[in-house]
Amino acid sequence: SAVISQKPSRDICQRGTSLTIQCQVDSQVTMMFWYRQQPGQSLTLIATANQGSEATYESGFVIDKFPISRPNLTFSTLTVSNMSPEDSSIYLCSVSLWRGLGYTFGSGTRLTVV
Amino acid sequence: DAKTTQPNSMESNEEEPVHLPCNHSTISGTDYIHWYRQLPSQGPEYVIHGLTSNVNNRMASLAIAEDRKSSTLILHRATLRDAAVYYCILRDAISGNTPLVFGKGTRLSVIA
Repeated sequence: SAVISQKPSRDICQRGTSLTIQCQVDSQVTMMFWYRQQPGQSLTLIATANQGSEATYESGFVIDKFPISRPNLTFSTLTVSNMSPEDSSIYLCSVSLWRGLGYTFGSGTRLTVV
Repeated sequence: DAKTTQPNSMESNEEEPVHLPCNHSTISGTDYIHWYRQLPSQGPEYVIHGLTSNVNNRMASLAIAEDRKSSTLILHRATLRDAAVYYCILRDAISGNTPLVFGKGTRLSVIA
């Protein structure tokens, strides 16, 4: 399975600022997926990032708030913009090396907005 | 992807077997049953998957009902490290490289 390095592991940010989360994969992958996990909740998909095209966002998530970059097949960033306390969550990236089997997840970024 | 139903929480004693149920009454013939778990402060990790036959690997066993409308993840000897949220997810065989969709899962507590 792939190995994902996700940074930062945690951060405390002031409201109104932005944070960029990075995911580096040790293999080339077509799709990378970004999730949000609010406190005590399950994972919710934010968007799918395909190299060379705009990310596809799920209902309730917009590009202005969560811009995503995917410059190559091993790297992606998610930015949480103009943060408010409601954005305090764990953000995770994920990939699959084998077309829908054996998904791997980053260890997550625990974001606290104060 | 078809919907699954799992108990919110379960509790087990250490070194005892654990049977985690999952109901999926609307499963289609091409849906695979996947299990992932999320340990505290970590991202989810793959546990096991199957289609019709029971499956075993080093982590767990998956028992699939004959009508495929339910399945059970079996941890043969629970350890404290197995305390996690366990997610049962159905994936169509032709889903390809689409993202996993998570339900609420079952929070397993293991008592020493």
